[in-house]
Amino acid sequence: AQSVAQPEDQVNVAEGNPLTVKCTYSVSGNPYLFWYVQYPNRGLQFLLKYITGDNLVKGSYGFEAEFNKSQTSFHLKKPSALVSDSALYFCAVRYTISSNTGKLIFGQGTTLQVKP
Amino acid sequence: DGGITQSPKYLFRKEGQNVTLSCEQNLNHDAMYWYRQDPGQGLRLIYYSQIVNDFQKGDIAEGYSVSREKKESFPLTVTSAQKNPTAFYLCASSIKAGPNQPQHFGDGTRLSIL
Repeated sequence: AQSVAQPEDQVNVAEGNPLTVKCTYSVSGNPYLFWYVQYPNRGLQFLLKYITGDNLVKGSYGFEAEFNKSQTSFHLKKPSALVSDSALYFCAVRYTISSNTGKLIFGQGTTLQVKP
Repeated sequence: DGGITQSPKYLFRKEGQNVTLSCEQNLNHDAMYWYRQDPGQGLRLIYYSQIVNDFQKGDIAEGYSVSREKKESFPLTVTSAQKNPTAFYLCASSIKAGPNQPQHFGDGTRLSIL
């Protein structure tokens, strides 16, 4: 069965320190992986995706993610956290229904709290 | 600006009442989606549509209905058969329904029961 796990409900980090938000996945076939961010009472904003190629993917707002096939992980990272990065982060995996249709499966979300 | 507009932002439903949530996009996207968000559960897919006049059930379609008569519009009706409708509802769209395409989201409608 296709699934995504975000093992931490909340991650706390001091401003200026590096941050990591963890994600592991289970999917048959090639994984298509996404990270989204959600601010309170707003929709989700796309951050980055891994489809194929380099294992380190760079995205919006200085975020990057590392795809690790052997560990089936896709952790989100940022070298230096900002207070404004505080939000709810979702990892998602796309699995194929047919040749041109896929569905996104979301993790349960991780709240990132960056303290000044 | 191009984007997805959901209305209303807040909606209240009485017992036994059907309510319709609006979703409009001006991105010229073919595919549209409805998700339900509950605290601690992430997003769950209700319905999706790959093209006008076509839609498919997602993982939690019971108690919901949709239509896709126009490319830019994908309204969701929460029927009285949905016994636990209180949630945050998110509409999304993508250029196509294929695996490479990120989805773009509206700002959601929060539905509560009176």
